[in-house]
Amino acid sequence: DQQVKQNSPSLSVQEGRISILNCDYTNSMFDYFLWYKKYPAEGPTFLISISSIKDKNEDGRFTVFLNKSAKHLSLHIVPSQPGDSAVYFCAAGSRAGNNRKLIWGLGTSLAVNP
Amino acid sequence: EAQVTQNPRYLITVTGKKLTVTCSQNMNHEYMSWYRQDPGLGLRQIYYSMNVEVTDKGDVPEGYKVSRKEKRNFPLILESPSPNQTSLYFCASSLSRDTDTQYFGPGTRLTVL
Repeated sequence: DQQVKQNSPSLSVQEGRISILNCDYTNSMFDYFLWYKKYPAEGPTFLISISSIKDKNEDGRFTVFLNKSAKHLSLHIVPSQPGDSAVYFCAAGSRAGNNRKLIWGLGTSLAVNP
Repeated sequence: EAQVTQNPRYLITVTGKKLTVTCSQNMNHEYMSWYRQDPGLGLRQIYYSMNVEVTDKGDVPEGYKVSRKEKRNFPLILESPSPNQTSLYFCASSLSRDTDTQYFGPGTRLTVL
């Protein structure tokens, strides 16, 4: 049973518009969340994170929102650029225990069209 | 340049032939981990290491071994590979268990015939 779900396998957006990628989770023990971006033939690259004590974190064009009561987070990219075209993964972790294992969604493939 | 490197990037082998995938990081990170990525299953953790000589199982450790003799290296060993270990493998590291962000290597595409 997937603990982290990205229900949209793909998303297409026009350059300059907003991209919104969504992620839902089921495990209330998660206390931090990360977004990674992945290009073909490369490893995931860290993009932005948020702790469960916050509801928003912003870094340039990227903003992550966390709604703990709904167990939902979203990544907003404004404005979207063609270079943002990649697969975006949502991952979640718990600080309890020694293992900093990340639980991953299956990814959303974003295409930003010029 | 701070990075995680993996070798080889691509490998085709046959059932039962022992192989090692190397992972090295130059960031003095304490925590290292191996994941495999499979269609429909996402990334799943195989093994992790808190520090030198400290390793433990992740979610899918069967058929794999690891070692952590030096801080920078965390090789993944398949003693007797089988076709169900055909997958894309990623090594990751983070500064310590108290750091959220993990940095990933470029991946190793393994095919076991």
